[in-house]
Amino acid sequence: TQLLEQSPQFLSIQEGENLTVYCNSSSVFSSLQWYRQEPGEGPVLLVTVVTGGEVKKLKRLTFQFGDARKDSSLHITAAQPGDTGLYLCAGAAGGTSYGKLTFGQGTILTVHP
Amino acid sequence: NAGVTQTPKFQVLKTGQSMTLQCAQDMNHEYMSWYRQDPGMGLRLIHYSVGAGITDQGEVPNGYNVSRSTTEDFPLRLLSAAPSQTSVYFCASRPQGGDLYNEQFFGPGTRLTVL
Repeated sequence: TQLLEQSPQFLSIQEGENLTVYCNSSSVFSSLQWYRQEPGEGPVLLVTVVTGGEVKKLKRLTFQFGDARKDSSLHITAAQPGDTGLYLCAGAAGGTSYGKLTFGQGTILTVHP
Repeated sequence: NAGVTQTPKFQVLKTGQSMTLQCAQDMNHEYMSWYRQDPGMGLRLIHYSVGAGITDQGEVPNGYNVSRSTTEDFPLRLLSAAPSQTSVYFCASRPQGGDLYNEQFFGPGTRLTVL
């Protein structure tokens, strides 16, 4: 069974601060996705990383996939209240995964004005 | 397109009752999945389907049944509800192929409470 350990579980910061969320595993994933979820809604995809060492930027969000494809991080620069939400990492196993994802426990981010 | 729709949005059951959570998608996606979300545990896969007539178990299948008679619909059945099945249930779909990049589209969820 592949596991994804996500940390921290809770993050409460002031507007303008920077933060990093980590997603770690002892298993290798063929790809890793980051989702954002708002209360009462389903998760929505932010990004998919596939190549070891890959870095993707989405405005103030920077996503990195570890060289060994076992870990990933999400860095938010100058956080805003609109970034508040639950952030989930999800890994897909090698080969044909048929849409089966292994999710981390999630990080609840609160950005205070 | 409506995307992935789920009904009901909220449900309260008594222990031992049965019910079906409905899920439908209008994107002609081959793959559909059911997840449950519990505090501090992320989303866990219950059952999934790679096409009409084909289903398989995920990580936590006990107490749940699924069927896939059409591409559009993927209902989840609780045979005899237990308090441990209190959770938020999400249905998701994605297109076939391109496993590395394809996005899963999630429904809005069903919040189930079993008393």
